[in-house]
Amino acid sequence: AQSVTQPDIHITVSEGASLELRCNYSYGATPYLFWYVQSPGQGLQLLLKYFSGDTLVQGIKGFEAEFKRSQSSFNLRKPSVHWSDAAEYFCAVGGGNEKLTFGTGTRLTIIP
Amino acid sequence: GAVVSQHPSRVICKSGTSVKIECRSLDFQATTMFWYRQFPKQSLMLMATSNEGSKATYEQGVEKDKFLINHASLTLSTLTVTSAHPEDSSFYICSALTGQNTEAFFGQGTRLTVV
Repeated sequence: AQSVTQPDIHITVSEGASLELRCNYSYGATPYLFWYVQSPGQGLQLLLKYFSGDTLVQGIKGFEAEFKRSQSSFNLRKPSVHWSDAAEYFCAVGGGNEKLTFGTGTRLTIIP
Repeated sequence: GAVVSQHPSRVICKSGTSVKIECRSLDFQATTMFWYRQFPKQSLMLMATSNEGSKATYEQGVEKDKFLINHASLTLSTLTVTSAHPEDSSFYICSALTGQNTEAFFGQGTRLTVV
């Protein structure tokens, strides 16, 4: 069965500092991997996705993620966070038209 | 990207009544839609997979008679919470797959409060 682990429940980062959110997955085949962001009371917005090819994926809002098969990881990074990045971030794994399995989420707080 | 519209965004209903939530794909046809439930400060839990023209597939532990799903067209799926109780209060989110089936687009979510 597929699963996703986001080990950090809550992360606090200063504005302008770099960010890395961790994601580890378990999947039987080559996974499709996603990062979503959710603002309070809102739906999910896709930040980026990995299907195949280049293991470093660029997304919207300056985010990127690197797929590391050997570590079963797909960590999300941003070189310099902005106050507007404060939100809940979800990593998800799935395959094609299969259902997505989400991690438990990481809440990001930005301090001035 | 593709747009998925979910309506209503918020609803308050009395215990024992039924509530219908709509999920529409506005600019694409979605043969498959998913319904999720999210408890406060928790992740999304898949409730069911909705396929156009066929019965929905429910996840283990989800009562299909309580959470009725209808996917009558390629652009609309509905979730009806029947005989709602306070414990059904939650945030419900739908998503839809495009024809390429490689990415799911999410609705804005519906906050259901049962009083």
